[in-house]
Order: sequence, then structure tokens, then C-alpha cells
Amino acid sequence: EVQLVESGGGLVQPGGSLRLSCAASGFSFSSYGMNWVRQAPGKGLEWVSYISSSASTIYYADSVKGRFTISRDNAKNSLYLQMSSLRAEDTAVYYCARSVGACNYWGRGTLVTVSS
Amino acid sequence: DIVMTQSPDSLAVSLGERATINCKSSQSVLYSSNNKNNLAWYQQKVGQPPKLLISWASTRESGVPDRFSGSGSGTDFTLIISSLQAEDVAVYYCQQYYSIPRTFGQGTKVEIK
Repeated sequence: EVQLVESGGGLVQPGGSLRLSCAASGFSFSSYGMNWVRQAPGKGLEWVSYISSSASTIYYADSVKGRFTISRDNAKNSLYLQMSSLRAEDTAVYYCARSVGACNYWGRGTLVTVSS
Repeated sequence: DIVMTQSPDSLAVSLGERATINCKSSQSVLYSSNNKNNLAWYQQKVGQPPKLLISWASTRESGVPDRFSGSGSGTDFTLIISSLQAEDVAVYYCQQYYSIPRTFGQGTKVEIK
């Protein structure tokens, strides 16, 4: 069974940093590209970042470019999102999602709240 | 960026009746090399992550009931729930994966009338 479990969310002050993790199991993690997608409270879905299976290709949304860094450790079956210079508008549930073009498996998400 | 626009924003349908959701992209998401539309539909129930229902505009995911169907090509797409069930109450999103940034529609909330 494919499982994606996010962790690392929490309350952080504006300008602060946070590192999210996503633990993958039930599939060959190293064979798939992965995404981070976020959802602000009561709002729609916003794609954040993508990393290819070998990490050779990485993309970011303009809203996070230069502040967020996506990475992965295929030996540990893990995906990461390093977030810095956080803003109130980054407050959201962050989902990791497996990519086959579309996102065919999603974790349950981790909540990031940016507030003083 | 490709802008995805869904209509309507919400709809209320009687049990057993048809629900139709439209999605329009600001430019074509048809990939000419394989003649596939890079368009997905997701269902999100309250308190849950999104679930992929349909990819490539019309390919139902394994386990998705056949009352869900997707159609369209180029810039205009439709998700149809042929006979609405109580468990279909959710917000539905379209998404293009033709180009970066991946973009979602704003969502369509489906309720029971």
C-alpha cells in the first residue's frame, strides 16, 4: 500500500524557517517524481514544487522561489521542503504527492502556521 | 502561466441526478507528441487530502466508480457525475500538468439538493 506521511509542520514566526519531511513507503520511491502542494485554510490547492526521481530536475512556484528548497533522499525514501523567510501567506496545509504527471497519491498533510 | 477556470463555483444536485462541472484552460493542454490532454480531476472531501479521479482528461483511476467520467480536449473539459450519491459531496478540482507551474482550478463545491 502506498503511504506518504508528512511531518515537521508547526507554528513559526514571520521570517522564520521550517523543514518539512515526507516519508514514503509501499512503492519504489526512487522511481517517481514528487510534488509539494499546499492549501491555505478554506482555500483551494496551490502547487509549490516538483523534484524528479533523481533530483536532476526541480521546479518552484514563483511565490516560493528563492525561499523554499525541495530535496529528497532516495536511500531514506524521504522528501523534504526547506522553507525560509516565511510569511503569513505561507500558512497552509502542505501535502506531498507522488507524480505520474498528475498527482496520484497524496499524504494527509502537515499544517504550517506563520504568525507572531 | 496557464489559468484554469472552473464553472460553476458550486452546485446542488438531487440524489441520483447528474452533476456537470466545467474546466477551461487559458491555453491548450494537449501534448501534440502523444495526443494526450494533460488534465486531471481531483475530489477532496472535508478534512481529507485530494484524491485523483481522472487523468489524461478521461482516464478513470483504478477503483473510481464509473459514474465519474471526464471528457474534453484542448482547452475545454468536463467532469460528469452521472448519478450523484451522498458520498460524492466534495470539492472537485481540475489541474493541468502540461507546463510549469502546475495550476489548479479554483474548485467546485458539490452538494445535495
